[in-house]
Amino acid sequence: DAGITQSPRYKITETGRQVTLMCHQTWSHSYMFWYRQDLGHGLRLIYYSAAADITDKGEVPDGYVVSRSKTENFPLTLESATRSQTSVYFCASSDPPNEQFFGPGTRLTVL
Amino acid sequence: AQSVTQPDIHITVSEGASLELRCNYSYGATPYLFWYVQSPGQGLQLLLKYFSGDTLVQGIKGFEAEFKRSQSSFNLRKPSVHWSDAAEYFCAVLPFYNQGGKLIFGQGTELSVKP
Repeated sequence: DAGITQSPRYKITETGRQVTLMCHQTWSHSYMFWYRQDLGHGLRLIYYSAAADITDKGEVPDGYVVSRSKTENFPLTLESATRSQTSVYFCASSDPPNEQFFGPGTRLTVL
Repeated sequence: AQSVTQPDIHITVSEGASLELRCNYSYGATPYLFWYVQSPGQGLQLLLKYFSGDTLVQGIKGFEAEFKRSQSSFNLRKPSVHWSDAAEYFCAVLPFYNQGGKLIFGQGTELSVKP
């Protein structure tokens, strides 16, 4: 299917566990982004990537790791999940200066 | 500091009434401007964008926005709201110097529609 997909859509995990959220896009967009959305904070950028093997920190990178070995994939890993990382996570892609296209989101709960 | 401001956190309008959502930005040069909509439980969908040219831009779902350079504003409008327009609306800017394609988002405006 064309577009941008995220998996899983819902995830419940426990404090201290490692969790990886997947993001895949079929447009060959150069840029990809990870955001978290929390009530009262809007969308906050976690990490972004300008191309394969090029990543950079956003506004709230602590506790997260990203990689981009292929243009189409941009996984986000929580190395040791904490309750404060309970959130909805959105992946997006773009070819600037055009708009970003967003995935459907992953709702993560850390118990 | 560079920022995007949506002054209204929550707006309620009656179905059929007109709507205007405000967005102001603070950048030296005119950035690229976007409006997104997020329905409950969904991702963000682009409504419209402004890069240059005509300052009144038309988008999907009957929305339009007007760029006013003198006011650093990019307000979203719709002449007649439908119940299905209830959602959260985000204004976003891409600075002209294009810091890695990173959008700067406003805090969002939640729209409720009364029958």
